[in-house]
Amino acid sequence: AQSVAQPEDQVNVAEGNPLTVKCTYSVSGNPYLFWYVQYPNRGLQFLLKYITGDNLVKGSYGFEAEFNKSQTSFHLKKPSALVSDSALYFCAALTGGGNKLTFGTGTQLKVEL
Amino acid sequence: GAGVSQSPSNKVTEKGKDVELRCDPISGHTALYWYRQSLGQGLEFLIYFQGNSAPDKSGLPSDRFSAERTGGSVSTLTIQRTQQEDSAVYLCASSLNSFYGYTFGSGTRLTVV
Repeated sequence: AQSVAQPEDQVNVAEGNPLTVKCTYSVSGNPYLFWYVQYPNRGLQFLLKYITGDNLVKGSYGFEAEFNKSQTSFHLKKPSALVSDSALYFCAALTGGGNKLTFGTGTQLKVEL
Repeated sequence: GAGVSQSPSNKVTEKGKDVELRCDPISGHTALYWYRQSLGQGLEFLIYFQGNSAPDKSGLPSDRFSAERTGGSVSTLTIQRTQQEDSAVYLCASSLNSFYGYTFGSGTRLTVV
């Protein structure tokens, strides 16, 4: 079965420090991978995606993600965290023949002063 | 419209009653998706509409759940004889092409008491 895993329920980081939110995937064929962010009482907002090409993908709000085929990972990163980055982050992969997104369980990021 | 609109934003209903949740997608988006977000369980795919094709209902958890999309635009998710385990946030999303990602609405928070 195709799946996306986010091994950490919560990540805590101090403001100004680099952050990483982990994601691994198990999909057949070429992976098409996404990161979304959800602020309280809001829908999900698109951050970035990997379809093909460069393994380092840059997205909104200074976030980037590194696609690693050998480790089947797509970790989200940011060089310097902000308190305003505190939110729930979801990794997702296109499955079902490329028709629908399968999401991980989400990682709560908490950035503290 | 400019974004995906969902109504109501909050719904409290008594166990056993039927509820209807509405989604108004972005104009021109041919694909529409319903997901359910339960606490600690990530996003669960429910149903997917693509143009005039038969919907993918593979994620509907029981026959109490149904959805329709009229005129290729507005969609209604209906839950009959609601149960307490139906309490969740129901998210709607639309897209022009799944490879571009989805645009999500803010969701409907359903509470069954």
